[in-house]
Amino acid sequence: KAGVTQTPRYLIKTRGQQVTLSCSPISGHRSVSWYQQTPGQGLQFLFEYFSETQRNKGNFPGRFSGRQFSNSRSEMNVSTLELGDSALYLCASSIGEFTEAFFGQGTRLTVV
Amino acid sequence: EDQVTQSPEALRLQEGESSSLNCSYTVSGLRGLFWYRQDPGKGPEFLFTLYSAGEEKEKERLKATLTKKESFLHITAPKPEDSATYLCAGDSGGSNYKLTFGKGTLLTVNP
Repeated sequence: KAGVTQTPRYLIKTRGQQVTLSCSPISGHRSVSWYQQTPGQGLQFLFEYFSETQRNKGNFPGRFSGRQFSNSRSEMNVSTLELGDSALYLCASSIGEFTEAFFGQGTRLTVV
Repeated sequence: EDQVTQSPEALRLQEGESSSLNCSYTVSGLRGLFWYRQDPGKGPEFLFTLYSAGEEKEKERLKATLTKKESFLHITAPKPEDSATYLCAGDSGGSNYKLTFGKGTLLTVNP
């Protein structure tokens, strides 16, 4: 059974640009969550989607947005990149509520 | 505000030296407590879910336990391949679904 797939694995962008990251969940999983991981803050929740609806959003500026498609695949977008956005962005999928979330390998974003 | 605190931040053990990692939490409406293992440059790998106080789960050299305020990850006779960062997270569930993570414990097991 294929795991959670995130693309691309590595990305280098310039300040002010925008970026789109992609996540394909495990087959049959309808919940997709996104997290930002940095050495100082650890893993921080960005947002969660279930059946194309955003159910919850973390404390991040409006430059961070996401969406989920009918096949449960999800994308997150960051506009007007800042140096502080450099991080490992992780996607997790689960069957539904109160069930374990399985993570992808992440996308390492570097903003220069 | 939901909060998960892990201690110690780092732990160095000799191979075969058993120990425990601590995770204390204040998560409103906690529905589940999760443990993950993360290797450098990789995504977290799921280990355990605990749902109620008194529950215990085991996997190889690892055993996770849960009380009303904290969870412990016991490592028995660790091996160098157990070296990793161990993360715990609380799931608030319901319409506010999200995982609140602690900052992790970096475990190093020396041969």
